[in-house]
Amino acid sequence: DGGITQSPKYLFRKEGQNVTLSCEQNLNHDAMYWYRQDPGQGLRLIYYSQIVNDFQKGDIAEGYSVSREKKESFPLTVTSAQKNPTAFYLCASSILAGGLNTGELFFGEGSRLTVL
Amino acid sequence: DQQVKQNSPSLSVQEGRISILNCDYTNSMFDYFLWYKKYPAEGPTFLISISSIKDKNEDGRFTVFLNKSAKHLSLHIVPSQPGDSAVYFCAAERGGSQGNLIFGKGTKLSVKP
Repeated sequence: DGGITQSPKYLFRKEGQNVTLSCEQNLNHDAMYWYRQDPGQGLRLIYYSQIVNDFQKGDIAEGYSVSREKKESFPLTVTSAQKNPTAFYLCASSILAGGLNTGELFFGEGSRLTVL
Repeated sequence: DQQVKQNSPSLSVQEGRISILNCDYTNSMFDYFLWYKKYPAEGPTFLISISSIKDKNEDGRFTVFLNKSAKHLSLHIVPSQPGDSAVYFCAAERGGSQGNLIFGKGTKLSVKP
């Protein structure tokens, strides 16, 4: 079945350690995104990528890094520079259709990171 | 500064009645709006969208209304069902950047049998 797979679903790490969250999609979508959700908050954009080997910062990119070496993969690294990394992380993908509004994002099931 | 606002954190409705979820936005340049539904510990799923050239879009039990002059949109669910209980997020697409969405904080809908 086509979809977005995030792993791991739950992750515990000690403060000061870097951690990488995986996101893979087999939908052949051009664009991929990372969002963060905190309790009682909306989703906030961390990074996004519209094409392989290119990505842009979102609203809260500090302390995070990404890569887009393959169309289907968009891993997110939460570095030790991120002040408050405990959160629910959501990866998404979408089609880019020229000038048409397609804004529909397909989300993975999320990864919950807890920093001890 | 929040550009997409959902001022009601929660809403409780009886099964079979109408649910109305509201959303306000501040940026008049937004031209495409979406609603997502989210269950706990899952990713959001797309529900319905509307372009700014329209004032209404309907899909089954779900209808989204857009009032551009008031910078306000609403999602109507009729009739509401217990399975509709979830958090609903309103989102606006940033101009010139497809798929780059700004989300509201969400409204938790509870539909009671």
